[in-house]
Amino acid sequence: DSGVTQTPKHLITATGQRVTLRCSPRSGDLSVYWYQQSLDQGLQFLIQYYNGEERAKGNILERFSAQQFPDLHSELNLSSLELGDSALYFCASSGGGVAKGYTFGSGTRLTVV
Amino acid sequence: LAKTTQPISMDSYEGQEVNITCSHNNIATNDYITWYQQFPSQGPRFIIQGYKTKVTNEVASLFIPADRKSSTLSLPRVSLSDTAVYYCLVGGYMNRDDKIIFGKGTRLHILP
Repeated sequence: DSGVTQTPKHLITATGQRVTLRCSPRSGDLSVYWYQQSLDQGLQFLIQYYNGEERAKGNILERFSAQQFPDLHSELNLSSLELGDSALYFCASSGGGVAKGYTFGSGTRLTVV
Repeated sequence: LAKTTQPISMDSYEGQEVNITCSHNNIATNDYITWYQQFPSQGPRFIIQGYKTKVTNEVASLFIPADRKSSTLSLPRVSLSDTAVYYCLVGGYMNRDDKIIFGKGTRLHILP
């Protein structure tokens, strides 16, 4: 157990639908990062939150949004889902950037049918 | 965040020592070098981190030359279970615009 909890582990939904992925960071970590990993692809950075505020944005689609709540858990909302959104979605947390290291959750596997 | 360059893939045999080199020519003074390992369908896992010279833990060694423009991850006596993707990441403590970009990594394939 890495200390980063992601739910659900698996999600199957239809095109056009909306889903919410949840992440609880490791205790004490203020930063949460979301990544998308399609089959045999690298980790695509989506967005970072630090203590409730958006800190950095990657190539996140407009159909996707995220937020971090006062208890530091984060949610990634994916709407108007397309087949190409099928991927593993990882959440990572950190106490201070690269130098402090990142702890990843086990991911949510999203399948859009 | 410093850009990194790694080989796309490597093959080796069980019991061999494997060295994976990462180039990071524009590393900053306060940047650390961190390596992660990722198995299929799992999140990346921290392996080792260093700033300069050599760092060793129970899993691997990290060699960093004096100019710090490259680093080498050394895996001693690999086994089939070391087959994974290895990512090199360079950066410091959290900056304002902290887009943590993992490159494509090095796909290591261990053969029996």
